[in-house]
Amino acid sequence: AQTVTQSQPEMSVQEAETVTLSCTYDTSESNYYLFWYKQPPSRQMILVIRQEAYKQQNATENRFSVNFQKAAKSFSLKISDSQLGDTAMYFCAFTSNTGNQFYFGTGTSLTVIP
Amino acid sequence: NAGVMQNPRHLVRRRGQEARLRCSPMKGHSHVYWYRQLPEEGLKFMVYLQKENIIDESGMPKERFSAEFPKEGPSILRIQQVVRGDSAAYFCASSRNRDYQYEQYFGPGTRLTVT
Repeated sequence: AQTVTQSQPEMSVQEAETVTLSCTYDTSESNYYLFWYKQPPSRQMILVIRQEAYKQQNATENRFSVNFQKAAKSFSLKISDSQLGDTAMYFCAFTSNTGNQFYFGTGTSLTVIP
Repeated sequence: NAGVMQNPRHLVRRRGQEARLRCSPMKGHSHVYWYRQLPEEGLKFMVYLQKENIIDESGMPKERFSAEFPKEGPSILRIQQVVRGDSAAYFCASSRNRDYQYEQYFGPGTRLTVT
């Protein structure tokens, strides 16, 4: 069974600072994908970044980057130069090449303080 | 290029009524997934459909819930005799086909409130 764990229910960061959100997962699959989604108050699920497990290089997307540690099954999200618009719930998610569904963590509520 | 569309965005039902949630996938997408988000939780998979076929319904409650994706028209998630515990946000996602299930595009969700 696949599980995704986010152990930080809430976090806050000063505007312009850097923050790291943690995520661990468990799977016996060898080919899979990991994601970070942002859910603002509108509740729309917005893809922030995606990592393919077979790629050793960590994915980056502008101010967002990940630290993917495959052996440790860890997938953290770093947000640099935090902006007020980054305030949202952030969900870590997993899917395998052979599966039909995404598995989501319980989320981290991030507040950017002006 | 419209994204995944869901309607209604908000739905209020009294206990015992039926709820029908609609999802139109992105253009060119033939596979649809439904997820439920209970308060303070992440999204949980319910069902995966392609046109006229249910591929995986392992996350669907055994009773009162059903889903369909007809040849023409949107996918429908139907909840009969709703109870307060059904209050949640229901999200639909779509992908081009099964090979692209890792590229699921999410709709804005339907917030169901059962009074």
